Amino acid sequence: EADIYQTPRYLVIGTGKKITLECSQTMGHDKMYWYQQDPGMELHLIHYSYGVNSTEKGDLSSESTVSRIRTEHFPLTLESARPSHTSQYLCASSPPTGAVYEQYFGPGTRLTVT
Amino acid sequence: GENVEQHPSTLSVQEGDSAVIKCTYSDSASNYFPWYKQELGKRPQLIIDIRSNVGEKKDQRIAVTLNKTAKHFSLHITETQPEDSAVYFCAASTGFGNEKLTFGTGTRLTIIP
Repeated sequence: EADIYQTPRYLVIGTGKKITLECSQTMGHDKMYWYQQDPGMELHLIHYSYGVNSTEKGDLSSESTVSRIRTEHFPLTLESARPSHTSQYLCASSPPTGAVYEQYFGPGTRLTVT
Repeated sequence: GENVEQHPSTLSVQEGDSAVIKCTYSDSASNYFPWYKQELGKRPQLIIDIRSNVGEKKDQRIAVTLNKTAKHFSLHITETQPEDSAVYFCAASTGFGNEKLTFGTGTRLTIIP
């Protein structure tokens, strides 16, 4: 089934650890996005990509990095986790430029840094 | 860059009544305005969108209106039902290959049975 997947769904980790949040989509979309969201609160764009080897920083300053080596895969990495990184991280994708601009969201990863 | 303001932040209405959520945007080049609904513990999902070449769009109980001159757009939900309880986000984009969305701060809508 065409969808967007995120793993892990929940992660509790200690300060200073390196973590990678995985995002994959099987919808054939070229554009992908990472948002940070505290529960029920505003969505902040932290990274986006318009295709392979294309990555841009979003509106919210973030200490994370992303890569886009394959169209379907857009992982986010935190080199050294801190308690301030505790939040929910949502991955999204959208189709190639055209009449449809809808962004499809993944189920999210809830990250807690202790 | 674009700035989107959304009001109110919380809204409670009696079941069967109407609910209205309003957003304003700053970038006159924005031409695409979607609304997303996020139920508790779920992912955001698109419920309706409007482009700058129309002033109103309706889908069953949901409608969106756009005033480009005043740079504001609104979501209208009629005959509200308990399943309408959620957080609603408006957003704006300039499109044309740049589908980056700027989201509003969200409105928590509670339908009172």
